[in-house]
Amino acid sequence: ETGVTQTPRHLVMGMTNKKSLKCEQHLGHNAMYWYKQSAKKPLELMFVYSLEERVENNSVPSRFSPECPNSSHLFLHLHTLQPEDSALYLCASSQDLIAYYGYTFGSGTRLTVV
Amino acid sequence: QKEVEQNSGPLSVPEGAIASLNCTYSDRGSQSFFWYRQYSGKSPELIMSIYSNGDKEDGRFTAQLNKASQYVSLLIRDSQPSDSATYLCAVLLGSSASKIIFGSGTRLSIRP
Repeated sequence: ETGVTQTPRHLVMGMTNKKSLKCEQHLGHNAMYWYKQSAKKPLELMFVYSLEERVENNSVPSRFSPECPNSSHLFLHLHTLQPEDSALYLCASSQDLIAYYGYTFGSGTRLTVV
Repeated sequence: QKEVEQNSGPLSVPEGAIASLNCTYSDRGSQSFFWYRQYSGKSPELIMSIYSNGDKEDGRFTAQLNKASQYVSLLIRDSQPSDSATYLCAVLLGSSASKIIFGSGTRLSIRP
């Protein structure tokens, strides 16, 4: 496996469900990110991790809970979501926290909340 | 003022012509500039990065940077239908160097 891998690719969940999104990077990068992309909106940064430590939380509702057990893995735990949370969730990584060379994105998880 | 601004389009260009995509940014201390291509339903893919004033060419793509005018552009020569996508301009801020800010994207359509 190379690059940044996200699972699942698609997820449909009810508002009372609990689910988790998984991201794994095989690039040896030290920083990882969660982004949300809603229709016709710019990418919204949700969380930033550097060497497993959360360095940024952009006023994200508590129904989204990130976890970074090591520098290669990143999770986004979801519970009691709302229909407006339906979006494409993208994981990204960069060599270092100062992303001088940009991000590498995973393929994303298309989330639908019903 | 938005930190990174792009015209949302759609920009329609005939096949074989040059497509020109533009982007302005607000942080004068910004240090790295990127163009990502995003096909519908897919994730963004980095296609060009530029760090200093002037032009940078890679195949049919040329990125142009003018820091004095706070302006970045992407030229696509000999446009192909496969170039039809949304192009995201992204800037690594100087004031908060850990953050890359994305524009809302320009939708490009190449008509045969």
